[in-house]
Amino acid sequence: ETGVTQTPRHLVMGMTNKKSLKCEQHLGHNAMYWYKQSAKKPLELMFVYNFKEQTENNSVPSRFSPECPNSSHLFLHLHTLQPEDSALYLCASSQDTVGLGNYEQYFGPGTRLTVT
Amino acid sequence: GENVEQHPSTLSVQEGDSAVIKCTYSDSASNYFPWYKQELGKRPQLIIDIRSNVGEKKDQRIAVTLNKTAKHFSLHITETQPEDSAVYFCAASNGYSTLTFGKGTMLLVSP
Repeated sequence: ETGVTQTPRHLVMGMTNKKSLKCEQHLGHNAMYWYKQSAKKPLELMFVYNFKEQTENNSVPSRFSPECPNSSHLFLHLHTLQPEDSALYLCASSQDTVGLGNYEQYFGPGTRLTVT
Repeated sequence: GENVEQHPSTLSVQEGDSAVIKCTYSDSASNYFPWYKQELGKRPQLIIDIRSNVGEKKDQRIAVTLNKTAKHFSLHITETQPEDSAVYFCAASNGYSTLTFGKGTMLLVSP
């Protein structure tokens, strides 16, 4: 499936590094999401963007910084992460965030992040 | 905000048996209830959804039921097969906010 792509697929970084995760959707959707998936919290919503504007920040630490330059691209900038931030980071998109019929979320394959 | 509880967290069945996963939600205004399936190492994908104007929906071996009064909905899988083994997530939305997901159920189907 190529609707939602994520790079890199795997990332190992030290606690002092700065890295970025990239997500791109080819579905013409207006909303994009970042989720963190770990054993403790299987699908934890982090950020929501609708028409490039951030509409939700689910109390995410400032060491995670999202960026949405347009409706097709979403980035997650990472800096001074902690080992407990190791997880699978999933990007998703949907036609919109509100309105019946517009809720199906299409997920990317995820980036497996390991913080050492 | 919405709170979605999902049970059980793990479910083991024999091939050919039925499996039922249950979810409850807190927001009486919720009107959209999808189910996602995530196979090992793969992304979550929508398998079926139901809206509040219907009580049941079927698609081949899977069905979803909704009880608005009790605020719960369930996923039913009949004649389970090994390829049904996956983590299943329920979710709910009221039309004004994004989906709230349950914590997932790992379904294991033994041959």
